[in-house]
Amino acid sequence: GAVVSQHPSRVICKSGTSVKIECRSLDFQATTMFWYRQFPKKSLMLMATSNEGSKATYEQGVEKDKFLINHASLTLSTLTVTSAHPEDSSFYICSASGLAGVSYNEQFFGPGTRLTVL
Amino acid sequence: EDKVVQSPLSLVVHEGDTVTLNCSYEVTNFRSLLWYKQEKKAPTFLFMLTSSGIEKKSGRLSSILDKKELFSILNITATQTGDSAIYLCAVEARKLEGGKLIFGQGTELSVKP
Repeated sequence: GAVVSQHPSRVICKSGTSVKIECRSLDFQATTMFWYRQFPKKSLMLMATSNEGSKATYEQGVEKDKFLINHASLTLSTLTVTSAHPEDSSFYICSASGLAGVSYNEQFFGPGTRLTVL
Repeated sequence: EDKVVQSPLSLVVHEGDTVTLNCSYEVTNFRSLLWYKQEKKAPTFLFMLTSSGIEKKSGRLSSILDKKELFSILNITATQTGDSAIYLCAVEARKLEGGKLIFGQGTELSVKP
């Protein structure tokens, strides 16, 4: 099956620093990648949808300038948490889909990145 | 506003028990409903349901969708400790672009030996 990786799996940083999380589709071309955030014992909340080569579409309430998303190639998307604060501590999960546009094509989830901001 | 609601939020059972997890939804232009199992890391896909009344089965797990009453159930028979996880229900709505999923809160299942 399709494999999606995330790096790093866990990161601890100081308040005020920026953290970059990578999401890679290893064996397929991901025209669309999704970034989710999950708080402990809570569900996944979609943060943004990114299509290769275009700007990401952010969900309501998600700050574009704080959560920078880049989808420069068909196998890589990055999420940068800028000027991180303790309230940004969370589990960030990406998923990748091989079909862009309006139709659902199975989303393959990465293993997630646990961010802790001190 | 589109929403997906799961119940119960948490459940503790003993090995061998049968459990039923519920998922109700209110979305416009429903396309499909999906069930995922999440252990320590990312969700793993279980089922995708698009039609009412057709049961999907995989081993001890089964699921069915009722598009008239707007809900789905996930059944797990003869539970094992390895079934302990968070079970997530998600709905794809046709009006949304790029296959966006709306997730429910999840049901945390704990199976005791």
